[in-house]
Amino acid sequence: GDSVTQMEGPVTLSEEAFLTINCTYTATGYPSLFWYVQYPGEGLQLLLKATKADDKGSNKGFEATYRKETTSFHLEKGSVQVSDSAVYFCALRNSNFGNEKLTFGTGTRLTIIP
Amino acid sequence: KAGVTQTPRYLIKTRGQQVTLSCSPISGHRSVSWYQQTPGQGLQFLFEYFSETQRNKGNFPGRFSGRQFSNSRSEMNVSTLELGDSALYLCASSLPTSGAEEQFFGPGTRLTVL
Repeated sequence: GDSVTQMEGPVTLSEEAFLTINCTYTATGYPSLFWYVQYPGEGLQLLLKATKADDKGSNKGFEATYRKETTSFHLEKGSVQVSDSAVYFCALRNSNFGNEKLTFGTGTRLTIIP
Repeated sequence: KAGVTQTPRYLIKTRGQQVTLSCSPISGHRSVSWYQQTPGQGLQFLFEYFSETQRNKGNFPGRFSGRQFSNSRSEMNVSTLELGDSALYLCASSLPTSGAEEQFFGPGTRLTVL
């Protein structure tokens, strides 16, 4: 079945450091890939997405590129801020109409120190 | 446009009881999915409803059930509660029109089973 393997946390960085959170997946077909973020006490918010190979999703300075050859979708940001502290989830969905199921990674807790 | 709302936000029950959680999707969204989030198991898909029909189901026992009404509002029910059912229950809504449509999450219902 489908699965997502995500970099174990927690991750602690200083403000303005470079961030990478690794994500690899196993799936049949051609899934869409997503990064969601969860702030304390809140639900999940979509951070970015990519729907086909070589697509790059980007939002709020975060980027991730859909790499079919390495089945990866690593999240990067060039200069993190304290406000980026949250839990980040990598997820996939097989892009068939009628299948809304998201398969999530375990989540990576990110803490940014001023 | 109002977001996804979930009621109640917090709930405390005892073992053996049953509980009903409610989710109101974004206006116009016809698909509602439910997820269970626990520290040990992460985010797991429960089921998805579309046009009042359950379209997908995760690997949960029959004690977990749901339904969707004609206005797309959804409820999930857990009967004979167990300690392990303590979790954050998230619902998400989407249009959907393709496999890459964003799912919008509510803030969740925090269920504690004593």
